[in-house]
Amino acid sequence: ETGVTQTPRHLVMGMTNKKSLKCEQHLGHNAMYWYKQSAKKPLELMFVYSLEERVENNSVPSRFSPECPNSSHLFLHLHTLQPEDSALYLCASSAGTVQNNEQFFGPGTRLTVL
Amino acid sequence: AQSVTQLGSHVSVSEGALVLLRCNYSSSVPPYLFWYVQYPNQGLQLLLKYTSAATLVKGINGFEAEFKKSETSFHLTKPSAHMSDAAEYFCAVTSSGAGSYQLTFGKGTKLSVIP
Repeated sequence: ETGVTQTPRHLVMGMTNKKSLKCEQHLGHNAMYWYKQSAKKPLELMFVYSLEERVENNSVPSRFSPECPNSSHLFLHLHTLQPEDSALYLCASSAGTVQNNEQFFGPGTRLTVL
Repeated sequence: AQSVTQLGSHVSVSEGALVLLRCNYSSSVPPYLFWYVQYPNQGLQLLLKYTSAATLVKGINGFEAEFKKSETSFHLTKPSAHMSDAAEYFCAVTSSGAGSYQLTFGKGTKLSVIP
């Protein structure tokens, strides 16, 4: 595998389910990101981890819970989601801050909440 | 605070015609500016970025963008559209100051190329 991979690619869940999204980067980067992409809205940065420490948390509801066990893996744990949480969830990684380091994106997980 | 406005959520051009995608930014500090492209069922890919060196920036796939401070603009152009350019394009801004992990994106412009 190369680049940034995300699993699953598609997920359908009920509002009472608990599921997790997984992201893995094979680029040796030390920063990882979760974004939410909804139709007709700008990309929303949800969480950023640098060297496994959370450095950004943009007022995301507690039903989204990130986990970064090491610099190569990032998870997004989901529970009691709402239909408005249906979106494409993108993971990205970079070698450092965005000013001098390109963000590399995974293909995303298409989430549908019923 | 920073923001990005992309004029036109959908742009259609004929194959071989000029591509012009508009981006205006708002920033209280000198900005760094980016254009990303997203092909169907894929993540975003960096096309080019402005980091205060040259105002005319050349990117991949024949795209370029010009930073115009007086107009607070960073429009993306390509002289001749190709079918493979059909995708969604996102403009983004961050501060040129202290290191940050925050990029502010526009809503995106979907480009269609007509044969």
